[in-house]
Amino acid sequence: DIQMTQSPSFLSASVGDRVTITCRASQNIINHLNWYQHQPGKAPRLLIYVASGLQSGVPSRFSGSGSGTDFTLTITNLQPEDFATYSCQQGYTTPWTFGQGTKVEIK
Amino acid sequence: EVQLVESGGSLVQPGGSLRLSCEASGFTFSSHSINWVRQAPGKGLEWVSYISANGNIMFYGDSVKGRFTISRDNAKNSVYLQMNSLRAEDTAVYYCARVNNIAIDFWGQGTLVTVSS
Repeated sequence: DIQMTQSPSFLSASVGDRVTITCRASQNIINHLNWYQHQPGKAPRLLIYVASGLQSGVPSRFSGSGSGTDFTLTITNLQPEDFATYSCQQGYTTPWTFGQGTKVEIK
Repeated sequence: EVQLVESGGSLVQPGGSLRLSCEASGFTFSSHSINWVRQAPGKGLEWVSYISANGNIMFYGDSVKGRFTISRDNAKNSVYLQMNSLRAEDTAVYYCARVNNIAIDFWGQGTLVTVSS
């Protein structure tokens, strides 16, 4: 199975900050990498697909980059509603696997 | 509006069985593959199972293979997850999720399964 490792696991930030989360795959997954946001009691939400595609309805302050094994999710101008957990997921091969999640909390 | 509504979660004893259901609306259900994904307390997301749009292809995660069975009824816009031989480590919120190419573009709110004596 492909292992997905995110860093950091926890991040403390302020409104207006720029935040970067990284995700590393244990093997080359080309660009088959997606990012999700999830908050307690809510359905998870797709933010970024195939590494850099912005899902419809997602604010442009979210962006993704990377290829091969190393990927990045960046949130610029962090907003109060962005405090959540973010997870990457590889869709290169089954079983699809997720990173362990990065919790973004208010400083 | 795309909606996925899970049901069937409850408290069950180890070794017991449970059937989860997911009813979809707001899109052409028979055109989309569906996943079940779970999140155990304090843990990350874990992919559980996949079923193709026509129901002919199914995949399972190693942790549930041989115990869980996914199925669908396109006439009822529904997907099911039959869970047998349940273990404490199956305790989780189970999400029904629509597949779009290699991503999951819509998720349900989830249903809680607790395996405990």
